[in-house]
Amino acid sequence: QQQVKQSPQSLIVQKGGISIINCAYENTAFDYFPWYQQFPGKGPALLIAIRPDVSEKKEGRFTISFNKSAKQFSLHIMDSQPGDSATYFCAASTSFGNEKLTFGTGTRLTIIP
Amino acid sequence: DTGVSQNPRHKITKRGQNVTFRCDPISEHNRLYWYRQTLGQGPEFLTYFQNEAQLEKSRLLSDRFSAERPKGSFSTLEIQRTEQGDSAMYLCASSNPRGGNQPQHFGDGTRLSIL
Repeated sequence: QQQVKQSPQSLIVQKGGISIINCAYENTAFDYFPWYQQFPGKGPALLIAIRPDVSEKKEGRFTISFNKSAKQFSLHIMDSQPGDSATYFCAASTSFGNEKLTFGTGTRLTIIP
Repeated sequence: DTGVSQNPRHKITKRGQNVTFRCDPISEHNRLYWYRQTLGQGPEFLTYFQNEAQLEKSRLLSDRFSAERPKGSFSTLEIQRTEQGDSAMYLCASSNPRGGNQPQHFGDGTRLSIL
């Protein structure tokens, strides 16, 4: 049973544009929602994470928006750069991240000049 | 480099052989996780340890899979009698939950190819 649904599967954005990736979850016990970035041949690297007591968190060009009632959260990448081209995974966990992560299926982001 | 270290990076073996992977977590991280990632998918949880105790195992972890963390430091994941469906990237992550939620840091994985 897939508990975290992610869309789109792939995304092409022009340099300087805004990249938006969406996720939805089912398990209301989730209380920690990280986003990971993965380059080919590398392991996932944490980008930014949010807890459900806030609706938005911003770190540099990366912002998470969180809608608890809709059980949805999204990643916004502002001023997208070619170096942002990677696969992005949303995830969810209980116990504020101190338990196993349940991942979405990933979004392959390509930034074109 | 003080990140999570996994060895080997790539393992090619014939169907039916046994394989063992090693993970060295970040120093003083007492939680260690194993995940499996197939092409085009997100990582799937396999098992995790708190120090040397194995606290949870996924249904994905069949009886051909065994994981250990004997001294609460490095961990090994063994697959016996490998099958074609075991071909995947095996990822290790570690964290230190003391003092609140701490992110899981991932290694670069071991890619297993079954011939």
